Amino acid sequence: GDSVTQMEGPVTLSEEAFLTINCTYTATGYPSLFWYVQYPGEGLQLLLKATKADDKGSNKGFEATYRKETTSFHLEKGSVQVSDSAVYFCALSDHGGATNKLIFGTGTLLAVQP
Amino acid sequence: NAGVTQTPKFQVLKTGQSMTLQCAQDMNHEYMSWYRQDPGMGLRLIHYSVGAGITDQGEVPNGYNVSRSTTEDFPLRLLSAAPSQTSVYFCASTDALARETQYFGPGTRLLVL
Repeated sequence: GDSVTQMEGPVTLSEEAFLTINCTYTATGYPSLFWYVQYPGEGLQLLLKATKADDKGSNKGFEATYRKETTSFHLEKGSVQVSDSAVYFCALSDHGGATNKLIFGTGTLLAVQP
Repeated sequence: NAGVTQTPKFQVLKTGQSMTLQCAQDMNHEYMSWYRQDPGMGLRLIHYSVGAGITDQGEVPNGYNVSRSTTEDFPLRLLSAAPSQTSVYFCASTDALARETQYFGPGTRLLVL
């Protein structure tokens, strides 16, 4: 079945460092890909998404490109801030599926130190 | 708009007790889902609904019941709580026109002793 694999954390960075969180997927169809973020004590929020190959999703300085050839959707940010400390989830959705199910990775905890 | 709301925020149950986790959304979304979040396992789908009166099972439905009598509400029932149901539960909803972006509630943290 469909699955998402993302790098284990925690990832600890200093402020203004470059961030990469790896995400790869397995899917039989042509899924949409997402990054969700969960700040401490809160629910998940959509950070960015891409719905087809070569699309780049971006938001709040974060970017991710849908790479069909490598089945990847790595999250990047050029300069992290303390306020970016959160858990980041990669997810896929069966494109066009009637049930709108999301399949999540296990999450990566990011801790940014001042 | 309040978005997706969940109550209670935190609950402690004894094994065998029953309870209902409430979820409501004010965005007129057709699709609603319940997930549980466990350490090292990400979020897993419990049950979902594609509209009022229609529900179906997700990946981990055992021990949970749902119903959808209105568009706004999607309660999750634990009939006989077990320690394995200790988790954080999230409700989510989606606009039928933007079927893939899900909006999550703040979660309910459940501890079963």
